[in-house]
Amino acid sequence: DAGVTQSPTHLIKTRGQQVTLRCSPKSGHDTVSWYQQALGQGPQFIFQYYEEEERQRGNFPDRFSGHQFPNYSSELNVNALLLGDSALYLCASSFRTLSTEQFFGPGTRLTVL
Amino acid sequence: QQPVQSPQAVILREGEDAVINCSSSKALYSVHWYRQKHGEAPVFLMILLKGGEQKGHEKISASFNEKKQQSSLYLTASQLSYSGTYFCGTGNNDMRFGAGTRLTVKP
Repeated sequence: DAGVTQSPTHLIKTRGQQVTLRCSPKSGHDTVSWYQQALGQGPQFIFQYYEEEERQRGNFPDRFSGHQFPNYSSELNVNALLLGDSALYLCASSFRTLSTEQFFGPGTRLTVL
Repeated sequence: QQPVQSPQAVILREGEDAVINCSSSKALYSVHWYRQKHGEAPVFLMILLKGGEQKGHEKISASFNEKKQQSSLYLTASQLSYSGTYFCGTGNNDMRFGAGTRLTVKP
């Protein structure tokens, strides 16, 4: 049983570019949450997708957008990249809500130059 | 509002015990605990859903005091493999993590 998978593993972009990160949830999970983790800090909640809709959003600008597909996989899009967007982007999946276990993928390391 | 963790860091010898605390200024309905090793993703340890609930995972257990809006993680007879950064997370559909507690276990 595959756990949460993310692609790509690493990405290098320049300021102003756009990036798309992908996530496939653990089998049986229907909810996907995205987090940004800067070095030495805890994960920061970006948003959560359930039933193909954004259910909850953290304190991130509109440059961060997402999508969930019928097979529960999800994408995170970031437009107009800033140097400060450099971080580890984590995807986590759960069933229905966060009152159940949440499993993280390995993350995508984004570097903005 | 992000929960507050204490201590920020702790160094132990193998076999020693440690307690990590997590408190919130908002009412808590559930608390998640995770461990993250350097360069890896956070790994789910346990979730506590009810006030007064206690859970165990090997020699790691946790308690949840709903009234005091806090949770504690207990590591007993620590092993080298327990080293890492521990995070508590609170929230229902918008999880907020504490800043983490860096635990180092030395031989």
